[in-house]
Amino acid sequence: EAQVTQNPRYLITVTGKKLTVTCSQNMNHEYMSWYRQDPGLGLRQIYYSMNVEVTDKGDVPEGYKVSRKEKRNFPLILESPSPNQTSLYFCASSLVGGTGEKLFFGSGTQLSVL
Amino acid sequence: AQKITQTQPGMFVQEKEAVTLDCTYDTSDQSYGLFWYKQPSSGEMIFLIYQGSYDEQNATEGRYSLNFQKARKSANLVISASQLGDSAMYFCAMREPSPDRGSTLGRLYFGRGTQLTVWP
Repeated sequence: EAQVTQNPRYLITVTGKKLTVTCSQNMNHEYMSWYRQDPGLGLRQIYYSMNVEVTDKGDVPEGYKVSRKEKRNFPLILESPSPNQTSLYFCASSLVGGTGEKLFFGSGTQLSVL
Repeated sequence: AQKITQTQPGMFVQEKEAVTLDCTYDTSDQSYGLFWYKQPSSGEMIFLIYQGSYDEQNATEGRYSLNFQKARKSANLVISASQLGDSAMYFCAMREPSPDRGSTLGRLYFGRGTQLTVWP
């Protein structure tokens, strides 16, 4: 089954404790991206990646890191989480170009930073 | 300035009626893409419809159509014959190209959403 898998679904952590949210897709998509969703603000793009070893900043990259060492994986790293990073996070992937631009989303990760 | 503006925080429609959700966008690129996504209360993001900036005809997918008015920078979603299961948050989104990377798929911007409620 074609899917984007995010883990974990829920995460509670404390300020300053490094964490990684994993994202994996099985559709051989070139494009992968991360978003955060906050009430009243919609989704905002954090980082995106065109392909292996190619990553670019989105709208709100501060406090986040990403890496794309393999085509299928695109982890989101919070080196020193803070309470303002409490949010619902989505990973998504897509083919590039043409009608393949539909984004496939993961199920989301609800992060709470205390 | 916001890239995507959805001016209706909430909309109500009776079952079987049509409803239009508004979306305007701001870009100076000639090549861009417009999307609509649905997010039910369960939280997943569901793709509804896509319109490319060079597509001359309005996109349609079943009961969904996108009313694309390029000169007005408007991309309204029309849902015909609303169903109770259409009650959800709806997001308009736009992707801009990444010319530095030689790709049509660069940054993506979402609006703040419209909460649609369908009543019997």
